[in-house]
Amino acid sequence: QEKVQQSPESLIVPEGAMVSLNCSFSDSASQSIWWYQQHPGKGPKALISIFSNGNKKEGRLTVYLNRASLHVSLHIKDSQPSDSAVYLCAGPSNTNKVVFGTGTRLQVLP
Amino acid sequence: DMKVTQMPRYLIKRMGENVLLECGQDMSHETMYWYRQDPGLGLQLIYISYDVDSNSEGDIPKGYRVSRKKREHFSLILDSAKTNQTSVYFCASSPGTGSSYEQYFGPGTRLTVL
Repeated sequence: QEKVQQSPESLIVPEGAMVSLNCSFSDSASQSIWWYQQHPGKGPKALISIFSNGNKKEGRLTVYLNRASLHVSLHIKDSQPSDSAVYLCAGPSNTNKVVFGTGTRLQVLP
Repeated sequence: DMKVTQMPRYLIKRMGENVLLECGQDMSHETMYWYRQDPGLGLQLIYISYDVDSNSEGDIPKGYRVSRKKREHFSLILDSAKTNQTSVYFCASSPGTGSSYEQYFGPGTRLTVL
């Protein structure tokens, strides 16, 4: 079964810090990799996706994809307490479904 | 307004009772999903629906069944609920199948089976 591995499991940073989250996926199918944000008691919400090798920037978020190494990372610049949430990486499976990682719990301290 | 709704939000049932979880979406999305989320296990796919009456098992379908009679509505049924089905259940929808498409999630249903 396909796996999506995320690291670290949890992270505590001071407000204003740069945050880096990592994700390794096992299926190299040419589909997008997604990052979702989930606040406590809420459903996940899509943040950003990437399809092509390289990087993509949206506001304070930058995502890097390396398909050869099956690795994607999400970087949050100038982190805010409102960024405190669980971040889920999602990638393709060989049955054309989506596989989610177990998440990274981020806490940004004021 | 793009929205996925779930009812009920909280549910407590006794072992052996039947459970019906309901999900609606207003985006006319073809594809809908049911997941459960447990600590340390992430989101696990129970069932996927490609359209009305076109459903397929996910990774953990045992003990569950689904019904989709209208494109905007997708139900999850637990016949004779078990204690190990205590979990948070999420419904999602997307305009297509696979990782090329964003999934839109509902707020979840917290189910406790005593």
